[in-house]
Amino acid sequence: AQKVTQAQTEISVVEKEDVTLDCVYETRDTTYYLFWYKQPPSGELVFLIRRNSFDEQNEISGRYSWNFQKSTSSFNFTITASQVVDSAVYFCALSERGWGFGNEKLTFGTGTRLTIIP
Amino acid sequence: DAGVIQSPRHEVTEMGQEVTLRCKPISGHNSLFWYRQTMMRGLELLIYFNNNVPIDDSGMPEDRFSAKMPNASFSTLKIQPSEPRDSAVYFCASSLRQEEETQYFGPGTRLLVL
Repeated sequence: AQKVTQAQTEISVVEKEDVTLDCVYETRDTTYYLFWYKQPPSGELVFLIRRNSFDEQNEISGRYSWNFQKSTSSFNFTITASQVVDSAVYFCALSERGWGFGNEKLTFGTGTRLTIIP
Repeated sequence: DAGVIQSPRHEVTEMGQEVTLRCKPISGHNSLFWYRQTMMRGLELLIYFNNNVPIDDSGMPEDRFSAKMPNASFSTLKIQPSEPRDSAVYFCASSLRQEEETQYFGPGTRLLVL
């Protein structure tokens, strides 16, 4: 069975500090996808990034960056120069292929609540 | 393009009443997912459809829950009869295989069963 662990339940940092959110996953599959979603106080779930298991290149998008390491089964998310608008709950998720039906269900971590203090 | 649309956004009902949640996926997407989010259990997948066919309903908590997808642009999740423990936020999401499984979520329906 697949599993996603976000050990950090809550993190608070002062605005402009860098912060890293940890995600560790477990899967027996060799083909899978990893995701990060953001859930701001308004409640919607916003897609941030997708990574497939064959692509270990790190990715940077503005102040956001992601570090994928298969050797440690981790997919960590770093926010540089944090801003108050980054305050949200962040979820890491894992999707496995299976049964030939294509789109498969996501297994979510429990989320990390990030608070940016002005 | 419009994202995933869910209605109603908020629902307050009394125990024993029937509740119907609605979802319109993103046009062209071929998979649809229903999730439930609670403080205790986090985000749980209830059921998902591929090309309007239910593929996995193992997350549906019990027979009081049912879901249908009569066509590619509409799905319902029904709870009958509702119970206070069903209070949660229910999300619908859709995806397209060609987009490598990325699921896009609707705004959710916040359900309160009194």
